[in-house]
Amino acid sequence: GNSVTQMEGPVTLSEEAFLTINCTYTATGYPSLFWYVQYPGEGLQLLLKATKADDKGSNKGFEATYRKETTSFHLEKGSVQVSDSAVYFCALTRGGAQKLVFGQGTRLTINP
Amino acid sequence: DTGVSQDPRHKITKRGQNVTFRCDPISEHNRLYWYRQTLGQGPEFLTYFQNEAQLEKSRLLSDRFSAERPKGSFSTLEIQRTEQGDSAMYLCASSSLTGSYEQYFGPGTRLTVT
Repeated sequence: GNSVTQMEGPVTLSEEAFLTINCTYTATGYPSLFWYVQYPGEGLQLLLKATKADDKGSNKGFEATYRKETTSFHLEKGSVQVSDSAVYFCALTRGGAQKLVFGQGTRLTINP
Repeated sequence: DTGVSQDPRHKITKRGQNVTFRCDPISEHNRLYWYRQTLGQGPEFLTYFQNEAQLEKSRLLSDRFSAERPKGSFSTLEIQRTEQGDSAMYLCASSSLTGSYEQYFGPGTRLTVT
């Protein structure tokens, strides 16, 4: 079946550090890939997405590239801020308005 | 647009009691999804509706769970004879059938079974 595996956390970084959170997936066909973020006390929000191979999703300084050859969708940011502290979830759908399959989440803490 | 709303936000119940949660999706969204999230895990799919039709149910949704969306607008999720293992955050999301298909999530209902 379809599944998503994320880098285990928690991850703690200093402000302005480079961030990578690894995400790999197993899926049949050509899934769409997503990163969702959950800030403390808030609901899940879509951060970025990519719907086909080699697409790059980007938002708020975060980027992720859909790599079909390595079945990966790693999240990166060049310079993190304290306000980026949150839990990040990688997810996939089989396309269109389908159910999301989530990874286990990675808790990120940024220290000033 | 006020986004997806869920009620109640928190529910504490004793084992064996029945509970019902409500989700109000974004008004023009055809699809409505229920997920369950336990501590330290990602959300897991439970079921979804397209308008009033329930199109898919997860194996996680035992016969103690039932969901409805009677008029294709709000939805309810009922858990009968609650067990301690039902303690979790229950999330609702909605999406349109056109455009980006992005799922918009509500704040969730946190259930604690004592």
